[in-house]
Amino acid sequence: AQSVTQLDSHVSVSEGTPVLLRCNYSSSYSPSLFWYVQHPNKGLQLLLKYTSAATLVKGINGFEAEFKKSETSFHLTKPSAHMSDAAEYFCVVSDLGGGSYIPTFGRGTSLIVHP
Amino acid sequence: DAGVTQSPTHLIKTRGQQVTLRCSPKSGHDTVSWYQQALGQGPQFIFQYYEEEERQRGNFPDRFSGHQFPNYSSELNVNALLLGDSALYLCASSLYRYGEEETQYFGPGTRLLVL
Repeated sequence: AQSVTQLDSHVSVSEGTPVLLRCNYSSSYSPSLFWYVQHPNKGLQLLLKYTSAATLVKGINGFEAEFKKSETSFHLTKPSAHMSDAAEYFCVVSDLGGGSYIPTFGRGTSLIVHP
Repeated sequence: DAGVTQSPTHLIKTRGQQVTLRCSPKSGHDTVSWYQQALGQGPQFIFQYYEEEERQRGNFPDRFSGHQFPNYSSELNVNALLLGDSALYLCASSLYRYGEEETQYFGPGTRLLVL
């Protein structure tokens, strides 16, 4: 069975400082991993995805994530936070465990950006 | 290119009533998945439809049912509503490729309040 753990429920940073959102996963297969962002009262937007190609994945809006199999981690980073980055972020794992790719979401990390 | 659309955006029902939510997938997509997102939680997978049949189902009771139409649009029906069914219901669409990961694209959601 697949699972995902987002290690922080809230992360608070100042504008212009680096962002680190942590995610650990569990999967019995070769997983696909995703980060989605959800702004208030909006749907989920795909930030980036890992599907067994390069371990360092670049996404939209300056975000990137590194797949580390030995640590079963897929942490999301951004060099410099912007006020518009304040939102809920979800780490997602998906594998063929059930015969088709059904994503499992983490509980989410709320990113707070201070001016 | 229209993304995933959902209707209605908001809905208020009373306990015991029935509700139908609708979803139109992104152009070119043939698979629709439904999720329930309770307040402060990550989305939970309800079920997935492909070729007008339920392909996978999460841990939800039979009160939750769905349908997919020949044009790939989909409905989610919930019978005998409970207070705990109050949530944001998200629809996601993807393109099925055998044995390959299917990136899901989400709609804005329908917020259901059960009184």
